[in-house]
Parts: sequence; structure tokens; C-alpha cells
Amino acid sequence: NAGVTQTPKFQVLKTGQSMTLQCAQDMNHEYMSWYRQDPGMGLRLIHYSVGAGITDQGEVPNGYNVSRSTTEDFPLRLLSAAPSQTSVYFCASRAWGRTEETQYFGPGTRLLVL
Amino acid sequence: EDQVTQSPEALRLQEGESSSLNCSYTVSGLRGLFWYRQDPGKGPEFLFTLYSAGEEKEKERLKATLTKKESFLHITAPKPEDSATYLCAVWGGGADGLTFGKGTHLIIQP
Repeated sequence: NAGVTQTPKFQVLKTGQSMTLQCAQDMNHEYMSWYRQDPGMGLRLIHYSVGAGITDQGEVPNGYNVSRSTTEDFPLRLLSAAPSQTSVYFCASRAWGRTEETQYFGPGTRLLVL
Repeated sequence: EDQVTQSPEALRLQEGESSSLNCSYTVSGLRGLFWYRQDPGKGPEFLFTLYSAGEEKEKERLKATLTKKESFLHITAPKPEDSATYLCAVWGGGADGLTFGKGTHLIIQP
């Protein structure tokens, strides 16, 4: 099992550019989510999904878009990048509605918006 | 609204010097409390899940405990490789994810 994988590892964008952060998991987890991590702050939830075709907003959703067409993949789209979106982004997955509820994280994508 | 407060923010210990990290929380209906370890430049690595007050779990030099208001991560005779940021998170059962604390940055000096 590869667990949760994310690409790219690092990205530099100019203000106004768009991009997609990729996330995939091979654990057949129903629940997937995106967090951002900023210095001095805890991990904050951006968007989440409890299954294919179902997504919802977290704590800080503005400027981001998600879709869930398969169980395995949960891409995060930045529509028009802003310097405030400079951060480290983590994708996570866990089982949903089952006894095992541990959430596993990917290695992260470091994004710099100039 | 769920809240998690971790203390201290940073802790420097000598190798072999045992200590504890604190995680205080407020949540309506705790479904799980999670401890993660995060190394610089990496994603959080799962350590423990605790589900109810009185529960304890151990892994090597780490032991996590849970009460109705807080959790402790006890580190016994730490080694330099235990240096990392330790994150605490709670889940209230909703679909809106885990609520994380800001973490405790632990440094173990040889």
C-alpha cells in the first residue's frame, strides 16, 4: 500500500494563476479531506468528501474547489492563486462509518504564491 | 465549536529526561482523540487514538492517556530521534473533520 500520495511536492505560482493539487489513496477509504498548515496555526480543514460525488466545505474553503469522481482521488483546485494561499497543503483519508477511524495524511504539497 | 489547546508550545529536554505533553479539549460528544507526530517537511504520522476517559495506549517510549477534559502524551527516557512536533486532534463525530491543536515542538538534546 502506498497510503496517501500527493503531487506535486513543491510548486511556485504567480498571483492569478490556477493549478490543481493531486491526492490519491489506495486504502479504499470513503472519507478524504484537504487541510492547510500555516506557521503558528493548527491544521485547518479546507474541503472534505464522504464518498464519490459528495463534497462539502470545511473551515477555510474560499478560493478552493474540489470534486470527487472516484473513491481513490480527491484533487484540490486553486482557481486564482493569491499570496494568502502560500501554505503547506495536506490531503488525508480515513474509513467512514466503520470501527477504524484513524486518519492518515499524505506527505504534503508546499505552495508558494508570488 | 470544538477546541484543542496544547501545552507547552515548545519543550527542550535532555536525553533520558522524561516529561509529559498536555492536550486540553472541548468537544460535544468525543468520538476520538488522536495523537500525531510530525517531522520537519513531512506529513503528520499517526501515533494513537483514544476513545474514552481512562483509556491508555503505549508505543515504545510514548504513552497516551485520556480524561474527560485532557490528554497527556508521556515520553519516558526520550532519545534525540523523538525530536518532532506532536499534534493532538479531536473528532466530535461530524463529517467536518478533526480539530487540531497548534502542536508541541519537542527537542531532545544528546
